[in-house]
Amino acid sequence: DAGVTQSPTHLIKTRGQQVTLRCSPKSGHDTVSWYQQALGQGPQFIFQYYEEEERQRGNFPDRFSGHQFPNYSSELNVNALLLGDSALYLCASSFKGDQPQHFGDGTRLSIL
Amino acid sequence: AQSVTQLDSHVSVSEGTPVLLRCNYSSSYSPSLFWYVQHPNKGLQLLLKYTSAATLVKGINGFEAEFKKSETSFHLTKPSAHMSDAAEYFCVVSPFSGGYNKLIFGAGTRLAVHP
Repeated sequence: DAGVTQSPTHLIKTRGQQVTLRCSPKSGHDTVSWYQQALGQGPQFIFQYYEEEERQRGNFPDRFSGHQFPNYSSELNVNALLLGDSALYLCASSFKGDQPQHFGDGTRLSIL
Repeated sequence: AQSVTQLDSHVSVSEGTPVLLRCNYSSSYSPSLFWYVQHPNKGLQLLLKYTSAATLVKGINGFEAEFKKSETSFHLTKPSAHMSDAAEYFCVVSPFSGGYNKLIFGAGTRLAVHP
């Protein structure tokens, strides 16, 4: 039974570029949440997708956007990258938004 | 607004001694509470969860936590530390919002275990 998978594992970008991160939820899960974890801090909630719609959003600018596909997989897009966007981006999945959420190993994004 | 405060940023114990990681929460109603563990360069693994069924919650790897409403605390304990327990631990609260749940994380406690 595959858990939550994220790709790529590492990514290096420069300021101003755009990036897309991908997530496949755990088998049987239909809800995907994204979190940003800066170095030395706890993860911060970005947004949550269910039935291909954004259901909740944290305190992140519009540069952060997402999408959920019919197979429940999800993408996180970040435009106009800033140095401060350097972080570990974690995807979590659950069933109908219920708890607990299961996490992937994350994508480490570095902005130069 | 809901929030979580982890009272220690670093805890150091000797192998075989008890572990106590402290967490206080703020919530306007009965929350769901969790402890997650993160090993270096890895994602988050659920240790245990509290969802009002029982105040003493048993988790994986010998960890347990006690929900104390009067003290708004949810401390994590383990009777005997193992070297493999060295990791970052996060106390987490989940507000219920119209059927869609998000997780609010504490800042984390780094546990070091010495031989």
